Amino acid sequence: EVQLVESGGGLVQPGGSLRLSCAGSGFTFSSYNMNWVRQAPGKGLEWVSFISKSGNTIYYADSVKGRFTISRDNVDSSLYLQMTSLRAEDTAVYYCARDAGVVIGGDFDYWGQGTLVTVSS
Amino acid sequence: DIQMTQFPSSLSASVGDRVTITCQASQDISYYLNWYQQKPGKAPNLLIYDASNLETGVPSRFSGRGSGTDFTLTINSLQPEDIATYYCQQFDELPLTFGGGTKVEIK
Repeated sequence: EVQLVESGGGLVQPGGSLRLSCAGSGFTFSSYNMNWVRQAPGKGLEWVSFISKSGNTIYYADSVKGRFTISRDNVDSSLYLQMTSLRAEDTAVYYCARDAGVVIGGDFDYWGQGTLVTVSS
Repeated sequence: DIQMTQFPSSLSASVGDRVTITCQASQDISYYLNWYQQKPGKAPNLLIYDASNLETGVPSRFSGRGSGTDFTLTINSLQPEDIATYYCQQFDELPLTFGGGTKVEIK
């Protein structure tokens, strides 16, 4: 059974940092591109970042570029999101999503349960 | 960025009704569109990929149509378990963008 389990969320002050993790199981992690998608409380979905199977290709939404860093460890079947210079508007549930599409973003077929990040003083 | 506009933002329908949700892209995205269902407190779930293809395991009462800038998601014979918010998402170009969502409720 495919599973994605996020962790690392919590309360952080503005300007602070946090590292999210997503542990994959039940599939060959290194064979899939991965993404982070977030959802502010009561709001819609916002794509955050993409990383290719090998980790060689990375993209970010403009709203997080220069502050967030996506990475992966295919040996440990894990995806990461290092978040720095956090702002109140980064408050959201963060989901990792497996991308089975041929085209980037073409098929988010499995999602984690999400981890809540709250940026507040 | 490609803007995705969904309407209505919410709707209320009776069990057994046919429900149609519309999604418009701000530019031609060919068939590079997916539909997701999100139930309260849960992660989104892929329903339709490439505008009209039903994801494995999704009930056949769900269908998608469209290409270019205009797309629809139809639920034939609405069921109580279909109560959710539905999102369209384009993957023609980065950044990937989602519609604002359509909340479906039972009348």
